[in-house]
Amino acid sequence: GAVVSQHPSWVICKSGTSVKIECRSLDFQATTMFWYRQFPKQSLMLMATSNEGSKATYEQGVEKDKFLINHASLTLSTLTVTSAHPEDSSFYICSAQRQLNQPQHFGDGTRLSIL
Amino acid sequence: TQLLEQSPQFLSIQEGENLTVYCNSSSVFSSLQWYRQEPGEGPVLLVTVVTGGEVKKLKRLTFQFGDARKDSSLHITAAQPGDTGLYLCAGVGYNNDMRFGAGTRLTVKP
Repeated sequence: GAVVSQHPSWVICKSGTSVKIECRSLDFQATTMFWYRQFPKQSLMLMATSNEGSKATYEQGVEKDKFLINHASLTLSTLTVTSAHPEDSSFYICSAQRQLNQPQHFGDGTRLSIL
Repeated sequence: TQLLEQSPQFLSIQEGENLTVYCNSSSVFSSLQWYRQEPGEGPVLLVTVVTGGEVKKLKRLTFQFGDARKDSSLHITAAQPGDTGLYLCAGVGYNNDMRFGAGTRLTVKP
């Protein structure tokens, strides 16, 4: 199997708080992890691609200082939403990929609500 | 700009009916994937098509990849209420990037 665990599954916090989301590949090593954002009733939009040990590549329009990505090991990537505001409220989903051009395996997502 | 045009966006049908979802692009993909997503969960991979003209069947679901590797379709035969969900196509480029279509929200009424 290829299980990806995402934690937490739901976060509610006050405006100005920084929130960290973890994405772990439980039974395989992932050379690449992806972070997506999904607004209600919309599709997934790629935010950034991260490879273990190197800086993440951000999509156009995604602020790298706002969405900090760390991919410290082959099984863990983290996304930190810094100084979150209500407009950052969304469903964040990660995926992990064993090797280039192999399927991505998705986590169950994190619903972030900023009050 | 949506790289992948997926249609229809919404589809509501009665149990037992057939349906087809389309995914079109002007770009050529190395492969194309179809996912199904339930509310509050991540997408689950249904199939990957790799070869132009390829047809794959998964029980009542039939997936087709266009000859030019730019488009794909998902056909569901005799839809059931359990097929209700969000269906997403995703094209994988030759540089490993993947882009999702807008999704088709399917409702099958009993």
